[in-house]
Amino acid sequence: AQSVTQPDIHITVSEGASLELRCNYSYGATPYLFWYVQSPGQGLQLLLKYFSGDTLVQGIKGFEAEFKRSQSSFNLRKPSVHWSDAAEYFCAVGPRPGAGSYQLTFGKGTKLSVIP
Amino acid sequence: DSGVTQTPKHLITATGQRVTLRCSPRSGDLSVYWYQQSLDQGLQFLIQYYNGEERAKGNILERFSAQQFPDLHSELNLSSLELGDSALYFCASSEKGQGMDEQYFGPGTRLTVT
Repeated sequence: AQSVTQPDIHITVSEGASLELRCNYSYGATPYLFWYVQSPGQGLQLLLKYFSGDTLVQGIKGFEAEFKRSQSSFNLRKPSVHWSDAAEYFCAVGPRPGAGSYQLTFGKGTKLSVIP
Repeated sequence: DSGVTQTPKHLITATGQRVTLRCSPRSGDLSVYWYQQSLDQGLQFLIQYYNGEERAKGNILERFSAQQFPDLHSELNLSSLELGDSALYFCASSEKGQGMDEQYFGPGTRLTVT
């Protein structure tokens, strides 16, 4: 069964500092990979996704993520964090075609706090 | 705004009761997914419908059921509610439900069982 691990439950960074949120997955092949953000009281918004090709993907709000097959990782990065980035971030995997169903499996999330 | 709507936003009910959560997918999306988000379990997939047919089941309890109607809106029915059913319930929709197209999430329904 596929699974997603986000090792950091809570991260605090200063505004303007760089950010890296970790995500490791377990899956029989290369899955589809996603990062979502959830602001307090809000639904989930897709930040970026990786399906194939270039392993460095760009997303919205200045975020990027790098897929590393050898490490089964898909870490999210941002060079300079803004106070409005404070939220909870979820990494998710989805199965490839032929799997029969396409639900997402989510990690437990990483809560990001930003110090002004 | 994802284009997915969910009603109600909040629901408070007592143990043993039954509730219905409603979801309207984005225009043109044929597939609807239901997820449960709780503090201890995180975000868990419950069930998926595609164009009115059940496509996949996840960790959905037998007390829970769902359906998707001809106009593509979906309802999640929760019965014999227990305290542990208190959670945020999200609906998501995608265009085809085949292959990994993007899932767009609604704002959720927060269910509190007292």
